[in-house]
Amino acid sequence: DGGITQSPKYLFRKEGQNVTLSCEQNLNHDAMYWYRQDPGQGLRLIYYSQIVNDFQKGDIAEGYSVSREKKESFPLTVTSAQKNPTAFYLCASSTSSWTGGWQPQHFGDGTRLSIL
Amino acid sequence: SQQGEEDPQALSIQEGENATMNCSYKTSINNLQWYRQNSGRGLVHLILIRSNEREKHSGRLRVTLDTSKKSSSLLITASRAADTASYFCATDAGGTSYGKLTFGQGTILTVHP
Repeated sequence: DGGITQSPKYLFRKEGQNVTLSCEQNLNHDAMYWYRQDPGQGLRLIYYSQIVNDFQKGDIAEGYSVSREKKESFPLTVTSAQKNPTAFYLCASSTSSWTGGWQPQHFGDGTRLSIL
Repeated sequence: SQQGEEDPQALSIQEGENATMNCSYKTSINNLQWYRQNSGRGLVHLILIRSNEREKHSGRLRVTLDTSKKSSSLLITASRAADTASYFCATDAGGTSYGKLTFGQGTILTVHP
């Protein structure tokens, strides 16, 4: 089955520690996205990548970093500079549409990050 | 930035009733999408309506779009307990946005058996 796999499901971060969230897709999608969701809130875009070896900052990129070395993978690192990392992190992917524009996004099941 | 505003924030109904959720946005769009999120899970795409469309149906879902008012509504007819979830609208500005979506705050729908 094609889809997006996020791991781990739960993650705990200590003070001063960097942690990396994994996102892998086998949908052959070009674009991948990282969102942050706080309780009772909508999604806010952290980073997105249109193609391998290229990515752009979203609305709340400070304290986060990404890489896109392979089409299938788009890991997100939450650095110690992110002072309020506790949230639900969602990864998504999409591909361009033959009619122009982009198809709706497919989402993984998220990683819940908490501070110890 | 959060472009979308949704109302109501929460909606509680009985099985069999209809549920209507509204979404407003601020800037011009290429399309508007609705997603569903079950508790603790990722989002699932429900329906997409393009800026040149006014109404779209998919099963028990009906979406309307009024670009002059920058608003959309999602109607779920004959609701079921399994429809209990959070519903989000998301706008795609098109152009060089590369499929980026701007999400609303969401409506929490509870359907009582």
